[in-house]
Amino acid sequence: DAKTTQPPSMDCAEGRAANLPCNHSTISGNEYVYWYRQIHSQGPQYIIHGLKNNETNEMASLIITEDRKSSTLILPHATLRDTAVYYCIVRSINNAGNMLTFGGGTRLMVKP
Amino acid sequence: DSGVTQTPKHLITATGQRVTLRCSPRSGDLSVYWYQQSLDQGLQFLIQYYNGEERAKGNILERFSAQQFPDLHSELNLSSLELGDSALYFCASSVSAGGTHNIQYFGAGTRLSVL
Repeated sequence: DAKTTQPPSMDCAEGRAANLPCNHSTISGNEYVYWYRQIHSQGPQYIIHGLKNNETNEMASLIITEDRKSSTLILPHATLRDTAVYYCIVRSINNAGNMLTFGGGTRLMVKP
Repeated sequence: DSGVTQTPKHLITATGQRVTLRCSPRSGDLSVYWYQQSLDQGLQFLIQYYNGEERAKGNILERFSAQQFPDLHSELNLSSLELGDSALYFCASSVSAGGTHNIQYFGAGTRLSVL
């Protein structure tokens, strides 16, 4: 599975959009981008995933660049409860075991 | 609430001891995964079971073992415990063994402290 690079930390004002970048320059054609978050030692929580098209669900939007070498997770109206570590994970659809490889993630602090 | 139940929430034990962590997957999920999260190693995949059979293995120590029972709950056994085994242990479950849209849902974890 491709390696990802994320900034270690970011701040965001409450009510504003939080844009979390992820670089995955070595991504291959059969690899998807997944986002999970972990709120203070709780179990990781699935947010969204995508291959090449932009995706949106009730939690967030995922924007993947045309060359697929980077992506951005967007939380449209961040709240204090969105303070967490956000993990960008690239996983091959051929990963038969389905395991997730977590990196260091981005610690997002939402401030009032 | 993810629907994945882990017990106990906290476990304190001594070096050299053996403990068992338990996981009940979401209703209908056939796969169970175990992850370890320590301060210095981050979140690491240990092992996956699918419908009772071992499916994939990560960097799981020989002192650790797991199994999945016919009712699909899983247990992670940790023996000859060392101080470095102190960590959060998470269980996750998913519907099938793999695939793009096979999302893993995580439990709240068991915090193991080895003194």
